Amino acid sequence: QSVLTQPPSVSAAPGQKVTISCSGSSSNIGNNYVSWYQQLPGTAPKLFIYDSNKRPSGIPDRFSGSKSGTSATLGITGLQTGDEADYYCGTWDSSLSSVVFGGGTKLTVL
Amino acid sequence: EVQLLESGGDLIQPGGSLRLSCAASGFTFSSYAMSWVRQAPGKGLEWVSIISDSGGRTYYADSVKGRFTISRDNSKNTLYLQMNSLRADDTAVYYCAKYPSLVGAFFDYWGQGTLVTVSS
Repeated sequence: QSVLTQPPSVSAAPGQKVTISCSGSSSNIGNNYVSWYQQLPGTAPKLFIYDSNKRPSGIPDRFSGSKSGTSATLGITGLQTGDEADYYCGTWDSSLSSVVFGGGTKLTVL
Repeated sequence: EVQLLESGGDLIQPGGSLRLSCAASGFTFSSYAMSWVRQAPGKGLEWVSIISDSGGRTYYADSVKGRFTISRDNSKNTLYLQMNSLRADDTAVYYCAKYPSLVGAFFDYWGQGTLVTVSS
């Protein structure tokens, strides 16, 4: 059971927008930055968002991150079939003194 | 170009030991904290351990504390994970990841992973 809670799956049509939520508590999301990772099948995770809302170089601006209170959200606009992947949120948990991840969300682009 | 190349994964019996290595290149290895993250087959990501840039500070997940030891050799640009008393639930792909900010808590580069299978 993950410390951070994500929906197991989300889906949307090509060209549409989708959001993926990540819920935590004051000991993790509430007081720390959130990161998001994309994992394509059979590959290593790749950083897509860090410091809650910043994109690394090379990540399209179709991807965005936000944080409010003890929850964070990854937004993806203009969905493409290549966006189909598992997405994970992560942060530091000050009570556990550990990095914690969400259970992952499988994005299907119908 | 940043590259992280893990090695050392194998099939090992319960109770056994294994040492993973991660060879780093393309950045100043000694300036950054490094980490191990694992993923059991068909499961999500699980953080394992972090070591500071100098090696002076280490952090572990409760699930591996007392059994795993993270270390680094900055002269060889290599990260290690010594795994003892291995259990079936340690079976996973182990990823080496660069951890650029102890404040931000994110991993900006990942290796391709090495598979550890614990089974009799």
